[in-house]
Amino acid sequence: DQQVKQNSPSLSVQEGRISILNCDYTNSMFDYFLWYKKYPAEGPTFLISISSIKDKNEDGRFTVFLNKSAKHLSLHIVPSQPGDSAVYFCAASENSGYALNFGKGTSLLVTP
Amino acid sequence: DAGVIQSPRHEVTEMGQEVTLRCKPISGHDYLFWYRQTMMRGLELLIYFNNNVPIDDSGMPEDRFSAKMPNASFSTLKIQPSEPRDSAVYFCASSPVRGDIQYFGAGTRLSVL
Repeated sequence: DQQVKQNSPSLSVQEGRISILNCDYTNSMFDYFLWYKKYPAEGPTFLISISSIKDKNEDGRFTVFLNKSAKHLSLHIVPSQPGDSAVYFCAASENSGYALNFGKGTSLLVTP
Repeated sequence: DAGVIQSPRHEVTEMGQEVTLRCKPISGHDYLFWYRQTMMRGLELLIYFNNNVPIDDSGMPEDRFSAKMPNASFSTLKIQPSEPRDSAVYFCASSPVRGDIQYFGAGTRLSVL
């Protein structure tokens, strides 16, 4: 049973615009959330994370928002660049560690 | 550091054969994780180790799957006998401490014919 869901399998955005990737979760015990980026033939690489005590975390062009009441988080990329084209995975864990529960990913395409 | 190293990158085998996937974690990392990625189920955790000791293997699908970590720098995931439904990409990841970022290897793409 998927506890982390990314309902949009793909997203296409023009270069320079904002990309918004969404993620929903069902387990209220999750307290740590991460986004990973994955290029073809490579492993996922860590992008940004957020603890449940925060509702926003920013790192350069990347911002993650957490809405605990809605069990929803989103990743904003501003401005989007062609090099951002990749599959983005949302992940969550309980007790700030141990196993990560991953969503199925959203494939982002940033067009010039 | 070279990162997490997995071998082989690709494995093609026939149903019934034994398959062994290998992983070398980042030096100094105490946690090692094995994941499997399929279209149907996405990325799912199979098993993880802490200081070479298996902590949670509840994600291992069947007794055909086994994992070992004989020392801090090496782990194996074995499938015996392999079946076509085991075809997937298998990732190994490591992290320095509990709750820290997990660093992934490039994965092993397994095809069981």
